Amino acid sequence: QKEVEQNSGPLSVPEGAIASLNCTYSDRGSQSFFWYRQYSGKSPELIMFIYSNGDKEDGRFTAQLNKASQYVSLLIRDSQPSDSATYLCAASDSWGKLQFGAGTQVVVTP
Amino acid sequence: GAVVSQHPSRVICKSGTSVKIECRSLDFQATTMFWYRQFPKQSLMLMATSNEGSKATYEQGVEKDKFLINHASLTLSTLTVTSAHPEDSSFYICSASTYQGAGMNEQFFGPGTRLTVL
Repeated sequence: QKEVEQNSGPLSVPEGAIASLNCTYSDRGSQSFFWYRQYSGKSPELIMFIYSNGDKEDGRFTAQLNKASQYVSLLIRDSQPSDSATYLCAASDSWGKLQFGAGTQVVVTP
Repeated sequence: GAVVSQHPSRVICKSGTSVKIECRSLDFQATTMFWYRQFPKQSLMLMATSNEGSKATYEQGVEKDKFLINHASLTLSTLTVTSAHPEDSSFYICSASTYQGAGMNEQFFGPGTRLTVL
């Protein structure tokens, strides 16, 4: 059974601090990895994707991938109250099919 | 960026009726469309994968006769929930996929349809 695991949270982060989210996956055949943000009652919106080992930065967000450890992470720098949401990690197979984790709820406190 | 629309955004129906949900890619042609269901406090669960002009591939445990998927063109897929029951009440989300190169397909999500079956 292919699985993507995330801590459900909530992860409480002071405004301006760094939020660190972790994700592990079981399928070594996974090709690409995605981080989505989902606000309550809304559909997911893509934050960033990564498919090579190492770090990838986009604005306040940095994704890290370690395929040997089957581990993906997302750092959110200078967290803002608008970052309060559920963050979904997803792994994609070679056909583009996504396996989602349960999501980590992030709460940024002013 | 790529835009995916869904219609309707919200529907309330009586038990036993059928509901059709449309998913359209507005500014690109999607090689594949996916249908997800999300119950409260849970993650997205893939229901089926749909390719234009061919039968949908359903995930284990999803009844293909209850959730009819039609993928008539590269920009339109429909999901029909037949004989809906209260347990089918959920948030249904579609996505459309395009090839981004380097072996990577990216999915663009529609805004979702909230189905409530009374």
